[in-house]
Amino acid sequence: AQSVTQLGSHVSVSEGALVLLRCNYSSSVPPYLFWYVQYPNQGLQLLLKYTTGATLVKGINGFEAEFKKSETSFHLTKPSAHMSDAAEYFCAVSYTGTASKLTFGTGTRLQVTL
Amino acid sequence: NAGVMQNPRHLVRRRGQEARLRCSPMKGHSHVYWYRQLPEEGLKFMVYLQKENIIDESGMPKERFSAEFPKEGPSILRIQQVVRGDSAAYFCASSPSQTGALRDEQYFGPGTRLTVT
Repeated sequence: AQSVTQLGSHVSVSEGALVLLRCNYSSSVPPYLFWYVQYPNQGLQLLLKYTTGATLVKGINGFEAEFKKSETSFHLTKPSAHMSDAAEYFCAVSYTGTASKLTFGTGTRLQVTL
Repeated sequence: NAGVMQNPRHLVRRRGQEARLRCSPMKGHSHVYWYRQLPEEGLKFMVYLQKENIIDESGMPKERFSAEFPKEGPSILRIQQVVRGDSAAYFCASSPSQTGALRDEQYFGPGTRLTVT
């Protein structure tokens, strides 16, 4: 069985500060990993994904994540937070290479303050 | 290229009524997924369909819930005899039919927010 744990349901950072959102996964087979962002009353937008290859993945809006197999982690980072980054962020895992269901973490709400 | 369309965006039903949620996938996509998001929780997988076939319904409640994706028209998630616990946001996602990395990516619609009174 696969699962996703997001540490910290709420994270607050100052504008311009580093953003670090944590995600750990549990999977018995090599995972495919995703980060999605959700703005209030909207659907989910894909930020980035890891399938195979380079473990450091760059996404949209300046976000990146690194797949660390030894730590079973896929933490999301951004060097400098912007007010527009305030949203809910979800980490998700899919364990096959074919189209299949995503298992989501419970989400981390990011607040950006002046 | 229009994104995933869902309607209605908001739906209010009284206990015992039926709710029908519609999802039109992106053009060229033949895989549809339904997820449910309860308040303050992450998304939970419900069902995965291809045209005219249910591939995985392991997340669907055994009673009152059904889904279809006909050859023509949108995918429908149907909830019969709704109860207050069904109040949630229901999201549809679609993915392409071709093989390759793109097939791993799901594109989400804006969701339908169901309120049961």
